[in-house]
Amino acid sequence: EVQLVESGGGLVQPGGSLRLSCAASGFTFSSYSMNWVRQAPGKGLEWVSYISSSSSTIYYADSVKGRFTISRDNAKNSLYLQMNSLRAEDTAVYYCARDEAITIFDYWGQGTLVTVSS
Amino acid sequence: QSALTQPASVSGSPGQSITISCTGTSSDVGGYNYVSWYQQHPGKAPKLMIYDVSNRPSGVSNRFSGSKSGNTASLTISGLQAEDEADYYCSSYTSSSGVVFGGGTKLTVL
Repeated sequence: EVQLVESGGGLVQPGGSLRLSCAASGFTFSSYSMNWVRQAPGKGLEWVSYISSSSSTIYYADSVKGRFTISRDNAKNSLYLQMNSLRAEDTAVYYCARDEAITIFDYWGQGTLVTVSS
Repeated sequence: QSALTQPASVSGSPGQSITISCTGTSSDVGGYNYVSWYQQHPGKAPKLMIYDVSNRPSGVSNRFSGSKSGNTASLTISGLQAEDEADYYCSSYTSSSGVVFGGGTKLTVL
């Protein structure tokens, strides 16, 4: 059974940093691209970042470019999102999602809540 | 990248059919056949319902179907059931190599 479990969320002050993790199991993690998608409270989904299976290709949404860094460790079956210079508008539930193919997010984690507030 | 445009809400009675539209531009919906649809129940993670405009993943009911014309994609749900009540989001690949989602549509089953 495919499982994605996010962790690392919490309360952080504006300007602070946080590192999210996504532990994958039930599939060959190293064969799949992965994404981070977020959802602000009561709002819609927003794609955040993409990383290819070998980490050779990475994309970011304009809203996080230069502040967030996506990475992965295929040996540990883990995906990461380093978030720096956090702003109030980054407050959201952050989901990791497996990329079956172009924009096909076939499995999602349960999400981890990040709250940016003083 | 602006969000794709979806109606904020749609409703229908059990057994009826409804259609949710998703309008973008030639740089996303109109330019690629990489449109997906997701269902999200309150407090839950999104679930893939349609991919590549009109394909259903294994296990998704054939009451769900997708199509596209120009810059607008559509999700049709036939034979509405109470459990279909949820939020629905479209997404598309974009020319900037990213992904853009629609603003979401709340489906109410009357």
